[in-house]
Amino acid sequence: EAGVAQSPRYKIIEKRQSVAFWCNPISGHATLYWYQQILGQGPKLLIQFQNNGVVDDSQLPKDRFSAERLKGVDSTLKIQPAKLEDSAVYLCASSLSIGGGETQYFGPGTRLLVL
Amino acid sequence: AQSVTQLDSQVPVFEEAPVELRCNYSSSVSVYLFWYVQYPNQGLQLLLKYLSGSTLVKGINGFEAEFNKSQTSFHLRKPSVHISDTAEYFCAVRPGYALNFGKGTSLLVTP
Repeated sequence: EAGVAQSPRYKIIEKRQSVAFWCNPISGHATLYWYQQILGQGPKLLIQFQNNGVVDDSQLPKDRFSAERLKGVDSTLKIQPAKLEDSAVYLCASSLSIGGGETQYFGPGTRLLVL
Repeated sequence: AQSVTQLDSQVPVFEEAPVELRCNYSSSVSVYLFWYVQYPNQGLQLLLKYLSGSTLVKGINGFEAEFNKSQTSFHLRKPSVHISDTAEYFCAVRPGYALNFGKGTSLLVTP
């Protein structure tokens, strides 16, 4: 079974530029998550989708971050404009359903460096 | 909000020695508890989880954890570590929709 796919794996941009990350979850997984992991910290949830609807985006900086999950499958996370403090690893995860005990499966992440 | 405290940021240990990685959580309600492992330049992989029932949970790669409700702890243990266990370990709680992660414990296994 294929895992969660993410691209690109690495990205270097200058501040004020825009960037987009792509995620393809495990086939059949209804729930998709985007996390931000800053160096030396645990991942922090940015946004959670159930199919193509947003369940929780309370920690998403909506003035610069946006995300969508068209057709309830793959998803795109965008930052515009980027700030230095956005340098982090962006992890995508998926789970079969939204239940609290469901296992979340993580992709390899996109490492973003903002200069 | 539910929080997780991983008491050790780094744990050095010799190969074949036992290890315990400590995790405490703050909660006044029932939560689900997880341990994830992150190898260099990889995503997180589930080691084990506690949902209910037996307080001793066995996971992959010989790891186990014990849920202690009175002490609000969920410590991870392995009786004999290998070099390949060198990684970052994250404890997490899930009281609702989101997984709340601790800051991680770096386990370094040396020969």
